[in-house]
Amino acid sequence: QSVLTQPPSVSGAPGQRVTISCSGSSSNIGSTYDVHWYQQLPGTAPKLLIYGNNNRPSGVPDRFYGSKSGTSASLAITGLQAEDEADYYCQSYDTSLRGVIFGGGTKLTVL
Amino acid sequence: QVQLVQSGAEVKKPGASVKVSCKASGYRFTSYGISWVRQAPGQGLEWMGWISAYSGNTNYAQILQGRVTMTTDTSTSTAYMEVRSLRSDDTAVYYCSRGTGSGAYGLDPWGQGTLVIVSS
Repeated sequence: QSVLTQPPSVSGAPGQRVTISCSGSSSNIGSTYDVHWYQQLPGTAPKLLIYGNNNRPSGVPDRFYGSKSGTSASLAITGLQAEDEADYYCQSYDTSLRGVIFGGGTKLTVL
Repeated sequence: QVQLVQSGAEVKKPGASVKVSCKASGYRFTSYGISWVRQAPGQGLEWMGWISAYSGNTNYAQILQGRVTMTTDTSTSTAYMEVRSLRSDDTAVYYCSRGTGSGAYGLDPWGQGTLVIVSS
């Protein structure tokens, strides 16, 4: 059971907007530590998608948007494309566990 | 470009040890740390620990304390992760990734992954 809670799955039609939530607590997301998001395409290594809550690495389309509020964070994907079908993970740091933590992952299906 | 290249797949028997390597290139190795993350078949990501390539300081996940050792060789810009007393539930793809001890700024990039199968 992951410290950060994500929905197991979300889906949307091409062109639509979807959001993936990541719920934590005061010892992780609710503390001073940022939230980061990763995209894992089938059979490949995870790739950093959003860092520092809402920053995109070079090459990541602006269709991907991250936000953080209180003890939760969200990843929004607009203009869904078939190539966005993947697993998405949130990540932060937990002061009680003194370690990096991940959400359980969310499988995005593009209908 | 910044790149992490890991060693090849391993098949081990229960009780044995496995050591995975992660060779870095394209940046100053000692300016960052290396986190290790594993992913069991069909499961999510599990952080295993982190090592500073500058000091050698480590921080291991509590669940793996006593069974895992992370080291670096700065002369070859290579990080190593060893798991001892392997069990069937250690079967997973093991990834290395560049990052800080707290994962601040995210983990980036990631190695291609090393499949470790533990089976009798």
